[in-house]
Amino acid sequence: GAGVSQSPRYKVAKRGQDVALRCDPISGHVSLFWYQQALGQGPEFLTYFQNEAQLDKSGLPSDRFFAERPEGSVSTLKIQRTQQEDSAVYLCASSTDRNEKLFFGSGTQLSVL
Amino acid sequence: SQQGEEDPQALSIQEGENATMNCSYKTSINNLQWYRQNSGRGLVHLILIRSNEREKHSGRLRVTLDTSKKSSSLLITASRAADTASYFCATGPPSGYSTLTFGKGTMLLVSP
Repeated sequence: GAGVSQSPRYKVAKRGQDVALRCDPISGHVSLFWYQQALGQGPEFLTYFQNEAQLDKSGLPSDRFFAERPEGSVSTLKIQRTQQEDSAVYLCASSTDRNEKLFFGSGTQLSVL
Repeated sequence: SQQGEEDPQALSIQEGENATMNCSYKTSINNLQWYRQNSGRGLVHLILIRSNEREKHSGRLRVTLDTSKKSSSLLITASRAADTASYFCATGPPSGYSTLTFGKGTMLLVSP
């Protein structure tokens, strides 16, 4: 596709459930990022991939958060045993290089009840 | 943590007026970028200015960068109702594996 695609667009989970969020980056983009955005705030960095290698996961808030990009293309962000504080919009972005222009998807809005 | 801080937090103007938003940051940067976010959507890249540049233009947008003051400004001229959105600055550090760090944003409302 022409842009970054994220699915699902909305996800409602009961507290304690596991969720998986998918990101399909722009074809050929080496760098892929996950950000978390709380209501009224700017995006907060979670993790960064260069191809299939996860080079920075310093922003993941706890060991319940796990991300992968096994073939250097599609990425999945998994949250285990969801908590209410995990409710946020999760944004995926891709680029040709980690500090250059980012192309964002529309995000997945996660609500944990 | 968020490195950039936009000012003002919210701005309300009439169509045709100019809108100016400011961004201050704390550490050395490789570049500074501005993004726009419409409600419920992802961020859209507007403009990138490198640390050795002082001013850049793109259409109705003008960005300045003052590395000595660690600040940047985004000017939108002749604003339109369609410019209503949140605007974020993002800083790219000079080295290491760090990536772009975003501020909390300025919410711009342009009334017809």
